[in-house]
Amino acid sequence: DAGVIQSPRHEVTEMGQEVTLRCKPISGHDYLFWYRQTMMRGLELLIYFNNNVPIDDSGMPEDRFSAKMPNASFSTLKIQPSEPRDSAVYFCASSFRTSGSGRPTDTQYFGPGTRLTVL
Amino acid sequence: GNSVTQMEGPVTLSEEAFLTINCTYTATGYPSLFWYVQYPGEGLQLLLKATKADDKGSNKGFEATYRKETTSFHLEKGSVQVSDSAVYFCALSEGSGGYQKVTFGTGTKLQVIP
Repeated sequence: DAGVIQSPRHEVTEMGQEVTLRCKPISGHDYLFWYRQTMMRGLELLIYFNNNVPIDDSGMPEDRFSAKMPNASFSTLKIQPSEPRDSAVYFCASSFRTSGSGRPTDTQYFGPGTRLTVL
Repeated sequence: GNSVTQMEGPVTLSEEAFLTINCTYTATGYPSLFWYVQYPGEGLQLLLKATKADDKGSNKGFEATYRKETTSFHLEKGSVQVSDSAVYFCALSEGSGGYQKVTFGTGTKLQVIP
């Protein structure tokens, strides 16, 4: 399996520009998570989806951030307009329900991350 | 709410030294506990887990025991290698219904020198 795929791996942009981060979860996984990692705040959950539906977006910092999951194999995280304080590494992760139990397996599988720098 | 507290880093050890990274947690019920590892430039990956009290998770020479009485899940390894240099995250998951929310600690950076 290819694992969770994220693109781009690095993004450098100027303040005010729109940024779109992309994620392809592991095939068969029905949960998808977006995290942000910074030195100051550590690893923060921004939003998660179940079966392509956003379930909890309480971690999204403000209205400049939006996330979509149009199908089971693709999700985007968009920042518009971007600001220097958005500079961070953004991770996508996926997980799946165990067969029969209806509960997720707990383990999350992370992508390699996108390092975003906003100048 | 749930929380995870792990020791401040960085931790610097010589190769073949014994490693302990402390982790304690606060949870309302009976969480599952995890250690994730993040190598430079990569995402987090599961290192080991334990789902109930007194369980021991182990992988790649690392071990951690779920201690309910002390609400701890300390990570240990008897002899570290340079290749173990990474950031280690303690985490717990707890919830009802469909989703078990994962709470991560702040991470502890380990540097192993030859």
